[in-house]
Parts: sequence; C-alpha cells; structure tokens
Amino acid sequence: DIQMTQSPSSLSASVGGRVTITCRASQSIRSSLNWYQQKPGKAPKLLIYGASTLQSGVPSRFSGTESETDFTLTISGLQPEDFATYYCQQGYSTPRTFGQGTKVEIK
Amino acid sequence: QVQLVQSGAEVKKPGASVRVSCKASGYTFTTFGISWVRQAPGQGLEWMGWISAYNGNTNYAQRFQGRVTMTTDTSTSTAYMELRTLRSDDTAVFYCARALRGSSGWSGVWGYWGQGTLVTVSS
Repeated sequence: DIQMTQSPSSLSASVGGRVTITCRASQSIRSSLNWYQQKPGKAPKLLIYGASTLQSGVPSRFSGTESETDFTLTISGLQPEDFATYYCQQGYSTPRTFGQGTKVEIK
Repeated sequence: QVQLVQSGAEVKKPGASVRVSCKASGYTFTTFGISWVRQAPGQGLEWMGWISAYNGNTNYAQRFQGRVTMTTDTSTSTAYMELRTLRSDDTAVFYCARALRGSSGWSGVWGYWGQGTLVTVSS
C-alpha cells in the first residue's frame, strides 16, 4: 500500500495569511494526488486534483505543487471560510490512501 | 446536477450488520463506479472499496475483505454497502463518493460525495 505522510497535523494562521501543507508519498504516484477540504459535519470537498489542477469553483487562492513524491497545498490570503481540515489522497493505485489530515485553525 | 443521497443514521449492536444506501441522480448511474469511505469520530478518512455500477465488479480494501459487500441496483440508481460483524470501533460516518469524470483514470478523484451516514455500534 502507498503511505501518504501529511504534515503538520494542525496549524494556526491569521486571516489573510499564507498556509502550506505538505504530503509525501511512500513511492511514485506520478501526479495522482488530490486535496480535499472538510468542515465539521460535512463531506469532504475536492479542491485540487492531478496535484495542481483547481477544481471548478474553487478560489484561486488555493494552489498545489509537486516535486517527485512531495506535494504541497498552499492557501494564499486565508479567508474565514478556509478554516477546516485538509486531506491529501493518492489516486494512483488501490487501496486509495489518505494523509492523516491537517487542521487549520484561527490564530 | 449530480446528487448522492445516503440513508439515515443507524444504531447497531456488536455482531450485527448494517446496510447503507446511496441513491444517485443527475447522471447515468451505470457510467460511474461508487467508492465508499469511512471516517471514525475525530479521525481521518479511510477508503473501504469501490464498485462498478456498470458490471458490479468490486475492489475492496484488504482490511474489510470478508466483512464488507458492495452492491448496486441499477433499476433505482442506488449503491449499497453492507458491513457485517460490527464492532464498537466500526462506529463511524460512512460516505459514498463518485468520480469527477468517467474514464478509468479518474476513478480515484472524487468530485461528488454523499452527505454521510453515521453508524453507531453500541451494546
């Protein structure tokens, strides 16, 4: 199974600030990396797929990059509605696996 | 618009089984598979498996093999996930999810999700 190691597990940031979340795959997953946002009591929402493609309707302050097996989600200009938990997930092979999640809280 | 509507919350005793439904609308049901994802309280997301709505082929995560069965009913555009021999640590929210697009390379990109079904296992 491909292990997805996500960090940090939580962080505090201010509105307007910049947030970076990283995810490392245990082996090559090509660009098959997706990012989801989840708010309490809600289903996950797809933000980015293919490591860097923004899902339709997602604000451009969200961006994704990749470098071999390392992937990064950046939120530039954090908004109040961005405080949530973020998960990476590899879609390269089954079993599909997720990172442990990163909770973004208000500073 | 694509919608996945799941069945309501369940309370089960240890050793029992639960079946969660996921009714799809807004697209041709047989052109997409359905994945199931579990989330224990306060925990992360865990993929349970996938079923093709076209031919019923399944792919289960090893840890659920032998205990889970995924099925579909094409006449009602509904997918089902049955989990047997429930334990207290099966208490979780179960989500169904559909791929963003139809080709095989997209089966692991979930653009559409059900609202979740809480299953509580307690004696």
